[in-house]
Amino acid sequence: AAGVIQSPRHLIKEKRETATLKCYPIPRHDTVYWYQQGPGQDPQFLISFYEKMQSDKGSIPDRFSAQQFSDYHSELNMSSLELGDSALYFCASSLDWQGNEQYFGPGTRLTVT
Amino acid sequence: DAKTTQPPSMDCAEGRAANLPCNHSTISGNEYVYWYRQIHSQGPQYIIHGLKNNETNEMASLIITEDRKSSTLILPHATLRDTAVYYCIVRLTDSWGKLQFGAGTQVVVTP
Repeated sequence: AAGVIQSPRHLIKEKRETATLKCYPIPRHDTVYWYQQGPGQDPQFLISFYEKMQSDKGSIPDRFSAQQFSDYHSELNMSSLELGDSALYFCASSLDWQGNEQYFGPGTRLTVT
Repeated sequence: DAKTTQPPSMDCAEGRAANLPCNHSTISGNEYVYWYRQIHSQGPQYIIHGLKNNETNEMASLIITEDRKSSTLILPHATLRDTAVYYCIVRLTDSWGKLQFGAGTQVVVTP
């Protein structure tokens, strides 16, 4: 069965650089979620989209922005990267807007040096 | 969303049932109980969810007490691959779906 695809899987950036993470949801899933998991921490919700509109927002820094495109894939744009942004970034998708069953991708490991 | 309390860790012998408790004493009537797990550094995996009735699927069973203040996730025959952090999450039924992960239970299945 198709799963959530995230790219790249690993990314190394320097401070103050920008990064773009991509997420391709499971076919027919129109809702996408982004989560951030710092080292030794639990995943934290960042932002979500339903039918290409932002549906909910969590503790996402102003330096980050995201959008969902017409093909339902989503991109998380991160600017002015800081050392503290080093984390695993997970994307999840669900078939319904309530997100009763969220399917997570393998994550993108971002390292900021 | 109501807060949940889980034991930080528990061990389970391979082949035995693993019973994972979760306390959610402030749960409201329109909040579901969800269980996810995360195998080391992999994306979290949905297990099961329920409102007030017990639920069962191919992975696990969810037992919710009548007063809904606590629940138990049961893995009927634990395998080594069930070693993971298990998260109990309470969420409103009519919400946009964000999951608020708290401190879960690290389950270690031993041979």
